[in-house]
Amino acid sequence: SQKIEQNSEALNIQEGKTATLTCNYTNYSPAYLQWYRQDPGRGPVFLLLIRENEKEKRKERLKVTFDTTLKQSLFHITASQPADSATYLCALAGFTGGGNKLTFGTGTQLKVEL
Amino acid sequence: DGGITQSPKYLFRKEGQNVTLSCEQNLNHDAMYWYRQDPGQGLRLIYYSQIVNDFQKGDIAEGYSVSREKKESFPLTVTSAQKNPTAFYLCASTQKPGETQYFGPGTRLLVL
Repeated sequence: SQKIEQNSEALNIQEGKTATLTCNYTNYSPAYLQWYRQDPGRGPVFLLLIRENEKEKRKERLKVTFDTTLKQSLFHITASQPADSATYLCALAGFTGGGNKLTFGTGTQLKVEL
Repeated sequence: DGGITQSPKYLFRKEGQNVTLSCEQNLNHDAMYWYRQDPGQGLRLIYYSQIVNDFQKGDIAEGYSVSREKKESFPLTVTSAQKNPTAFYLCASTQKPGETQYFGPGTRLLVL
């Protein structure tokens, strides 16, 4: 069955360091991979989308990589700040059948400490 | 301002009662979605609609029903058949299915 895995343990890092979050998937041929940020008690907010023929995408302090051979995406936040503390969700949309909907991972909680 | 609104923010359900969660968008999006989120878990798709008067079941549709009579509105009814309804419910819409989704603020449903 299709599966999306994100590290369920919280990631704690110091302010100013680079945070790296991982999203692995199996039995899936995604057309798009997306990353969202979710704060407690709120709806997710879109951050970045990367297509299956793209290797890397950047937006300000954010960078996403997409390796369809490894079936993995890495999400990086450089020069992290306490305000970056949140849960980060990855989501995939497939080529066939599931192309019109997203499947979400369980998310990884990031805590940036002073 | 464009966006998605959900109401109410908190909703309490009694045993055997049906309740309806509201979702409205003014983004002119054709596709709308309902998700359920349980503590420590990801979003699970309940129902989605790609066009007015049409909708499809998601992964966990049992005990829920929807309607899509207007482009702007996609209400979700949690029926008495849903035995474990306590969760955080999120509505989303998108201009192009599979691409960026825009989420509402969510409704937290609690059982009395």
